[in-house]
Amino acid sequence: AQSVTQLDSQVPVFEEAPVELRCNYSSSVSVYLFWYVQYPNQGLQLLLKYLSGSTLVKGINGFEAEFNKSQTSFHLRKPSVHISDTAEYFCAVSVGGSYIPTFGRGTSLIVHP
Amino acid sequence: GAGVSQSPRYKVTKRGQDVALRCDPISGHVSLYWYRQALGQGPEFLTYFNYEAQQDKSGLPNDRFSAERPEGSISTLTIQRTEQRDSAMYRCASSSTRGELFFGEGSRLTVL
Repeated sequence: AQSVTQLDSQVPVFEEAPVELRCNYSSSVSVYLFWYVQYPNQGLQLLLKYLSGSTLVKGINGFEAEFNKSQTSFHLRKPSVHISDTAEYFCAVSVGGSYIPTFGRGTSLIVHP
Repeated sequence: GAGVSQSPRYKVTKRGQDVALRCDPISGHVSLYWYRQALGQGPEFLTYFNYEAQQDKSGLPNDRFSAERPEGSISTLTIQRTEQRDSAMYRCASSSTRGELFFGEGSRLTVL
C-alpha cells in the first residue's frame, strides 16, 4: 500500500517570499500525484496533478510541483506567496490503476504580512 | 448543481443514535468516494463506488458503517449506534478521471 509523508505540519512565511511544501511518498509502482488546497470552512480543491509526461507540473494560483522518481518526492513550490495563500495543503498519491488517493496529513501554510 | 453537495452540513447526535449522511455528486461523474477527516489530519479513505457498485469498502472502520449508491448517483453513508469516536468531518468526492477528486464541503458529525 502507498503512503504519503508531509514533512512539515506548519510553514510560516512572509508575504512575497518563496515557499516549498515537502511531500514524499512510498510506492514501488507507477503513481499519480496530486496537491489539494483547503481554505477555511471549504472543501478540498485540486491545485495540480502529475499523471505522466513532464515532471514539472504547473497548477493554479502560480503553484508548481516537480515529480522526482528517484527521491520519491513531489514538492510544491511558489516563488512569491500572498496572504490569500494561507490554507491547508494536502499531498495525495494513487497507485496507477487504483484511483483511490491516499492523503498526507497536511501542511498549514501561514503567510504573514 | 455545479459541485458536490453534502447534507447535513452539521449533525449533532447522541451516542447510540443512527445517522445518515447524504452526498449528491457532480452530474455525470462515475466514481464517488467517502473520506473521513479528523481535526489536524488528512482525509482517510472509507469507501468508493463506480456507478452503483461498491468497488472498495476496505476503509470502513467496522460493521456499524455502511454506504450505498442505489441508482449510481446520490450516495448515503450510514453510521449505526454512533459512538463519540465517530465524531469527525465526513467528506464526499466525485470523479470522472484517474483519481482527480472534486470534494463537497463536508458533513461535520458530533456525537455527544
